[in-house]
Amino acid sequence: DQQVKQNSPSLSVQEGRISILNCDYTNSMFDYFLWYKKYPAEGPTFLISISSIKDKNEDGRFTVFLNKSAKHLSLHIVPSQPGDSAVYFCAASAPGTASKLTFGTGTRLQVTL
Amino acid sequence: DGGITQSPKYLFRKEGQNVTLSCEQNLNHDAMYWYRQDPGQGLRLIYYSQIVNDFQKGDIAEGYSVSREKKESFPLTVTSAQKNPTAFYLCASSGSTETQYFGPGTRLLVL
Repeated sequence: DQQVKQNSPSLSVQEGRISILNCDYTNSMFDYFLWYKKYPAEGPTFLISISSIKDKNEDGRFTVFLNKSAKHLSLHIVPSQPGDSAVYFCAASAPGTASKLTFGTGTRLQVTL
Repeated sequence: DGGITQSPKYLFRKEGQNVTLSCEQNLNHDAMYWYRQDPGQGLRLIYYSQIVNDFQKGDIAEGYSVSREKKESFPLTVTSAQKNPTAFYLCASSGSTETQYFGPGTRLLVL
């Protein structure tokens, strides 16, 4: 039962353009969502998060949008840079679960020159 | 520097052998977590601990054991009962927020 889904295993974007990574969830109890970036053979690095009381959070080139009614969130990277090439994981947590995170399967982003 | 360290980076296990993966953090975080990552999959929770001397099973705890005797340390033992131990193991910790911060990982291979 995959409660957090990233349906696009890979995405290729040209440098300077916008990258949009999508994530869907099924558990309506989730109230906190995070995006992590991961390079091969390294631990994930926290990028940005959003609480369910908001619908948008921005940090530099990264913006996360949350659509609660659709149970959908997206990560926008503008402008995309070659160093952004990595696997991006979406994660979610529900209240009262000791901050346990449920992860999606990841989307591999490749930013081309 | 504050952070999470995992050792070793690579670990080899023989059949029937127990091996222990180390995780240490100096972030003063109360909660610590162990995840497993397999190719093409997300991270799956093995065990977690919210406080010293207490820990809970995650989604895939069978074949694993942990201890939390010190706030800074949360070692994971992969026992001989774990039939498919080859994976990338990640340790994380969290403090007052729900954001988890990860170590660099240990890759476990079976000889």
